[in-house]
Amino acid sequence: AQSVTQLGSHVSVSEGALVLLRCNYSSSVPPYLFWYVQYPNQGLQLLLKYTSAATLVKGINGFEAEFKKSETSFHLTKPSAHMSDAAEYFCAVSVSWSSASKIIFGSGTRLSIRP
Amino acid sequence: DAGVTQSPTHLIKTRGQQVTLRCSPKSGHDTVSWYQQALGQGPQFIFQYYEEEERQRGNFPDRFSGHQFPNYSSELNVNALLLGDSALYLCASRPRQGIMNTEAFFGQGTRLTVV
Repeated sequence: AQSVTQLGSHVSVSEGALVLLRCNYSSSVPPYLFWYVQYPNQGLQLLLKYTSAATLVKGINGFEAEFKKSETSFHLTKPSAHMSDAAEYFCAVSVSWSSASKIIFGSGTRLSIRP
Repeated sequence: DAGVTQSPTHLIKTRGQQVTLRCSPKSGHDTVSWYQQALGQGPQFIFQYYEEEERQRGNFPDRFSGHQFPNYSSELNVNALLLGDSALYLCASRPRQGIMNTEAFFGQGTRLTVV
């Protein structure tokens, strides 16, 4: 069964510091992976997606993620944190059957930015 | 282009009551999924609709039911509400074609509080 695991429910970094949010996946087939962000009292917004075209994926707001098959990881990074990056981040994998699909989410990582 | 729209944004119901939540998908999308997000957790898949039929269901009781209309909009119905049904309910839409590697677009959600 496909799944994702996010390491660390809460990460706190200083403004301007490197952001690293960890995600590991489990999949018997090549996965389709996503990172979503959720600001307070809002829905989910896509940051970036991996669909096997390139292992280094660039997303919005300066975020990027690298797919590493040998480590079954898809960690999210940003070189320099900004106060506006404070939010909940979810790693996710797309799962499909013959007639349907769903997205399985990790438990989320809350990112706090210290001034 | 309007994205996914959900109504209402907030709702308070009493235990035992029934509730209906509504969703209009993003233009050009024909597949609608519903997710439940309890406080502090990642979204959990409830079910998916395509061509007005339920195509896949997550681990939710029969009290949760849905419907999709010919214009692709959808409703989520929950009967005999329990306190544990209090959550943010998210609607997501995707185009059927290439569904595996296309991201889901999410609405802002309906915050349901059961008292």
